[in-house]
Amino acid sequence: EVQLVESGGGLVQPGGSLRLSCGASGFTFSNYWMSWVRQAPGKGLEWVANIKQDGRERYYVDSVKGRLTISRDNAKSSLYLQMNSLRAEDTAVYYCARVPTARGLRSYFFDYWGQGTLVTVSS
Amino acid sequence: QSALTQPRSVSGSPGQSVTISCTGTSNVLGVYNYVSWYQHHPAKAPKLMIYDVSQRPSGVPDRFSGSKSGNTASLTISGLQAEDEAHYYCCSYAGSYTFGELFGGGTKLTVL
Repeated sequence: EVQLVESGGGLVQPGGSLRLSCGASGFTFSNYWMSWVRQAPGKGLEWVANIKQDGRERYYVDSVKGRLTISRDNAKSSLYLQMNSLRAEDTAVYYCARVPTARGLRSYFFDYWGQGTLVTVSS
Repeated sequence: QSALTQPRSVSGSPGQSVTISCTGTSNVLGVYNYVSWYQHHPAKAPKLMIYDVSQRPSGVPDRFSGSKSGNTASLTISGLQAEDEAHYYCCSYAGSYTFGELFGGGTKLTVL
């Protein structure tokens, strides 16, 4: 059974940093693109970042470029999101999501999601 | 960057059908057949319902169907059931501008 479990959320002051983690199980993590998607309170879903299987390609939504960094450790089957220079508008539930990948090529949807971890940026 | 527009809410009675629209710009929905739909119940993980415009993952009832015409994608739910009440989000590949995905604002489906 595919499982994605996020952790690391919490309350942080504006300008602060936080590191989110996502532990994956039930599939060969190193074979898949992975993503972070977030949902601000009362708002819709927003794609945040993608990372290729080997970590050599990473893409971000404009609003987080230069502040949030997606990374992965295939040996630990883990996905990360390093969040720096946090702003109030980064307050959201952050979801880890799997991107179906076949023969090395990614698809353009998310087939499994974690339960999310809440990040609150406030003084 | 282009946006995907969904109605804020739709409603229907049990057994009826409802359609949720998702309208985008020609450089996104008009180009790519990479539309997906997600069901989201509060405090739960979003669930994939449709991918690649009209493909249904295993385990998703055939009451759920997707289509696209021009710059508008649609999710139709037939034979509404109480458990279908949730938020639904459309999503499309945004292309070479971001190499990422673009979500619609979401539609709250109420089963009367």
